[in-house]
Amino acid sequence: DIQMTQSPSTLSASVGDRVTITCRASQSIPSWLAWYQQKPGKAPKLLIYKTSTLQSGVPSRFSGSGSETEFTLTISSLQPDDFATYYCQHYSSNSLWTFGQGTKVEIK
Amino acid sequence: EVQLVQSGAEVKKPGESLEISCKGSGYSFTNYWIGWVRQKPGKGLEWMGLMYPADSDTRYSPSFQGQVTISADKSIITAYLQWSSLKASDTAMYYCVRQGAGGYFDYWGQGTLVTVSS
Repeated sequence: DIQMTQSPSTLSASVGDRVTITCRASQSIPSWLAWYQQKPGKAPKLLIYKTSTLQSGVPSRFSGSGSETEFTLTISSLQPDDFATYYCQHYSSNSLWTFGQGTKVEIK
Repeated sequence: EVQLVQSGAEVKKPGESLEISCKGSGYSFTNYWIGWVRQKPGKGLEWMGLMYPADSDTRYSPSFQGQVTISADKSIITAYLQWSSLKASDTAMYYCVRQGAGGYFDYWGQGTLVTVSS
């Protein structure tokens, strides 16, 4: 089975910083890669799907890129509302959905 | 507006059975995969399984196969997650999810907290 590994596990940053979170797959995968944001006590929210497509209503400071085994989520200018935990998720053709372990973005 | 509305929090004892529900509205319920994601306290997200209500095709994560049952009632646009014998390790928040066109989960329920304790 494909494993998804996020880095870092925790990230300390300031408002206005450019932030990048990486998700690595244990083997090359198609572009079925999504990113979610979860705030404490809330359900996760879809940010990006198919590697780089922004979900409707998501601010343009979020972007996704990558291919094969390495994918990134970038926040171009961190805002107070962005402090949260972020998860990547892969869907494989044999009907397995796998999440990364999460990256917590904290206030520096 | 698409909504997934889940049943309320549950407190159960080990060995008891349980069924939690998720009502989908604002979209064609039978034409989208619907399923469940577990989150243990302070931990990450785990995909459990999905069902396609139109034909009841169901896919389970190997980690949850045989441990839970996913079902749906099209007539009342509701999906279910069922346990026959709960364990303390089943204590978690359970989210209902709708799968969009490309394998991603585009809508999430508000979550149902299940606590299993003697």
